[in-house]
Amino acid sequence: QVQMVQSGAEVKKPGASMRVSCKASGYTFSDFYMHWVRQAPGQGLEWMGRINPNSGATVSAPKFQGRLTMTRDTSSDLGYMELSSLTSDDTAVYYCARESLGSASHFDYWGQGSRVTVSS
Amino acid sequence: DIQMTQSPSSLSASVGDRVTITCRANETISRYLNWYQQKPGTVPRLLIYAASTLQSGVPSRVSGSRSGTDFTLTISSLQPDDIGTYYCQETYTSLYTFGQGTKLEIK
Repeated sequence: QVQMVQSGAEVKKPGASMRVSCKASGYTFSDFYMHWVRQAPGQGLEWMGRINPNSGATVSAPKFQGRLTMTRDTSSDLGYMELSSLTSDDTAVYYCARESLGSASHFDYWGQGSRVTVSS
Repeated sequence: DIQMTQSPSSLSASVGDRVTITCRANETISRYLNWYQQKPGTVPRLLIYAASTLQSGVPSRVSGSRSGTDFTLTISSLQPDDIGTYYCQETYTSLYTFGQGTKLEIK
């Protein structure tokens, strides 16, 4: 069965960088885009960006351009999301999600979420 | 940029009620609109994609429709399991914008 298992919770200092991993299993990793979505405490869902695991090509939301790096390791079916220059506004749960195949994109499987707290 | 506006922002209804949540795009997104449910403390769950296609395993009391740039999620007979926050998402652009969410509670 499809699973997306993320790395654990982290506490970071302002100005630092964070990296979250997402281990995919149960499907061909390179065939499906991987997206990153975050949710600040008590807030809604915010799309951050996506990576094509086959080519490594990425698309980021304008808000995160210059600060967000998405990579993948196809030998281990792992996706990574790195966010730099952290502030308290980056405190959130970060999710990876798989984009389905087909003409109408949708996120059919999600990781369990990785909580990141930015605090001095 | 495409803006997705959901209404209402919160909703309280009784078990058995018909519930409707609306999502409006400020420009055309064709049928590229998805709905997710998120229960407190859990991961978002896909309910509807392409405006009206029910995801496998989702109860048939849930449905979606489109009229131009207005999209509607309907629960025909509200059940206790339907509580949570509902989000729409456009996938017409490469920005995958979410609506701000509608919190659904049981009276």
